[in-house]
Amino acid sequence: QQQVKQSPQSLIVQKGGISIINCAYENTAFDYFPWYQQFPGKGPALLIAIRPDVSEKKEGRFTISFNKSAKQFSLHIMDSQPGDSATYFCAAQGTYKYIFGTGTRLKVLA
Amino acid sequence: SAVISQKPSRDICQRGTSLTIQCQVDSQVTMMFWYRQQPGQSLTLIATANQGSEATYESGFVIDKFPISRPNLTFSTLTVSNMSPEDSSIYLCSVPITDTQYFGPGTRLTVL
Repeated sequence: QQQVKQSPQSLIVQKGGISIINCAYENTAFDYFPWYQQFPGKGPALLIAIRPDVSEKKEGRFTISFNKSAKQFSLHIMDSQPGDSATYFCAAQGTYKYIFGTGTRLKVLA
Repeated sequence: SAVISQKPSRDICQRGTSLTIQCQVDSQVTMMFWYRQQPGQSLTLIATANQGSEATYESGFVIDKFPISRPNLTFSTLTVSNMSPEDSSIYLCSVPITDTQYFGPGTRLTVL
């Protein structure tokens, strides 16, 4: 019940394309769902986050879609750029702890 | 947000030795987290460190192996004791500000 399943494990997208990463959870007590971006040699940095009372949140080229009934949420990166090449982690928070997804390694081809 | 620094940024250690990792935050925070990220893997919570109390360890992590100190509201240390090659990982501290966790840059540890 504490797992967050993330897919795909890796993703290759052409420059200008849309990158989509999906996550699914089981514990309905989770109440905060952040996405983190991690570049090699760096710590994860918050990209965007959503709460379950909202179905979509957009910040620039990044959008989270949230389906509460399906217990799924996804990250969409519009107009993907080579600089977006990184590892992306979804997470779910219950109480004060995060449960992280397994990560998606995104490569955007120039 | 929070600015977090860690020392050392990386180290190469011999089997059987110990390494202490420092985490410094630019503001006072009640709670700090220590994570381990094995090569190419996700983040696994080691323990939660609150100032003035003993750290709370997650399943699979014990105080004898990963002792933690939290002497004040801006600083914490994690020691990796009696290291083996399986301890080779990135170790990260983080602090929660409301619901968001802010991470340090990590300490990349290689054990030979």
